[in-house]
Amino acid sequence: QKEVEQDPGPLSVPEGAIVSLNCTYSNSAFQYFMWYRQYSRKGPELLMYTYSSGNKEDGRFTAQVDKSSKYISLFIRDSQPSDSATYLCAMSEASGSARQLTFGSGTQLTVLP
Amino acid sequence: NAGVMQNPRHLVRRRGQEARLRCSPMKGHSHVYWYRQLPEEGLKFMVYLQKENIIDESGMPKERFSAEFPKEGPSILRIQQVVRGDSAAYFCASSPLEVGTEAFFGQGTRLTVV
Repeated sequence: QKEVEQDPGPLSVPEGAIVSLNCTYSNSAFQYFMWYRQYSRKGPELLMYTYSSGNKEDGRFTAQVDKSSKYISLFIRDSQPSDSATYLCAMSEASGSARQLTFGSGTQLTVLP
Repeated sequence: NAGVMQNPRHLVRRRGQEARLRCSPMKGHSHVYWYRQLPEEGLKFMVYLQKENIIDESGMPKERFSAEFPKEGPSILRIQQVVRGDSAAYFCASSPLEVGTEAFFGQGTRLTVV
């Protein structure tokens, strides 16, 4: 079993739709949760990060963390064709030697005009 | 993020040759991470370095791979005697913080072994 599970998609939605992307994880030590967007043949771009449980909103993006269920989500409102990319969730432990990020395999999203 | 500079962007090596990948972190960042991305897979951690120190190399293959981050100059990921299975995108990230919560990635080096 992978530490972080993410549905690879692909996911296609019409422009303006609400998109829901999700990851589950098994390591209860994860405290920091991030979402990255990666366009084809580019580096990952940090979209949002949250610490511990709760919600965080930034423009059209909302990140949710439910540590009790070991489940995180990213919602994209009013999706645009420019949102078409692969979305990666990532997590890290708060301290100790495990400072690296553990990534999901990514969900490929296409927003159709 | 344009602030983390990686070069070359594309690198072709024949089996058995050496590959050197370079990463200049963002200004003010002293923590560097290397990740590898295989086709259709997420990024896998390889190594975490600070200036002149390897902090965590738990993701590095035991042989042929090494990394350094000297006092002056970029971080280097070195792969000796490359094999076809080393073909992948290699990403460098830098962070001003130890925990790496706000790690910014470069555009990557795409290594092809022929």
